[in-house]
Amino acid sequence: DQQVKQNSPSLSVQEGRISILNCDYTNSMFDYFLWYKKYPAEGPTFLISISSIKDKNEDGRFTVFLNKSAKHLSLHIVPSQPGDSAVYFCAASRTPGNQFYFGTGTSLTVIP
Amino acid sequence: EAGVAQSPRYKIIEKRQSVAFWCNPISGHATLYWYQQILGQGPKLLIQFQNNGVVDDSQLPKDRFSAERLKGVDSTLKIQPAKLEDSAVYLCASSEQGASNQPQHFGDGTRLSIL
Repeated sequence: DQQVKQNSPSLSVQEGRISILNCDYTNSMFDYFLWYKKYPAEGPTFLISISSIKDKNEDGRFTVFLNKSAKHLSLHIVPSQPGDSAVYFCAASRTPGNQFYFGTGTSLTVIP
Repeated sequence: EAGVAQSPRYKIIEKRQSVAFWCNPISGHATLYWYQQILGQGPKLLIQFQNNGVVDDSQLPKDRFSAERLKGVDSTLKIQPAKLEDSAVYLCASSEQGASNQPQHFGDGTRLSIL
């Protein structure tokens, strides 16, 4: 039972343009959401998070949007850079505890 | 700050053999996690420790997988005997003491191939 879904396995974007990665979840009890970035042969690296009390969180070029009614979150990268090329995983958890449920990932390619 | 350390990076064994992975979390992180990531999928939690106690092992195949964290720091994950479907990357992660809504920090993983 996949509680967190990323329906786009891959995405290609021109350098300088916006990248939008999407994630849907089914469990309405989730209250903490994260995005991780993963390069080949490395572990996932924490990128940005958002609590369910917010609908937007920004960190430099990265912004995460949360739509609780639609059970949907998205990651915007503006402007996209070639170094952003990686696999991006969204994850969700609920309080208490810190067990994360991960999506299957979206492979982003930023074309120079 | 040193990150999560895992070894070995790669391991190739034949089915029915045994294998063990080691993890050293970030200093001061009391919570440690082992994940299994099969190719094309997201990481799936196998077991979560708080200090040296097990918080959640509901998805650990206990007939063949075992894990321990005896002194509340390092941890080992063992598979005995291995099956073909155990081929995956095994990731270790850690987070701060008893904290909800905290990001987990991952090691680079051990890639296990079963022949």
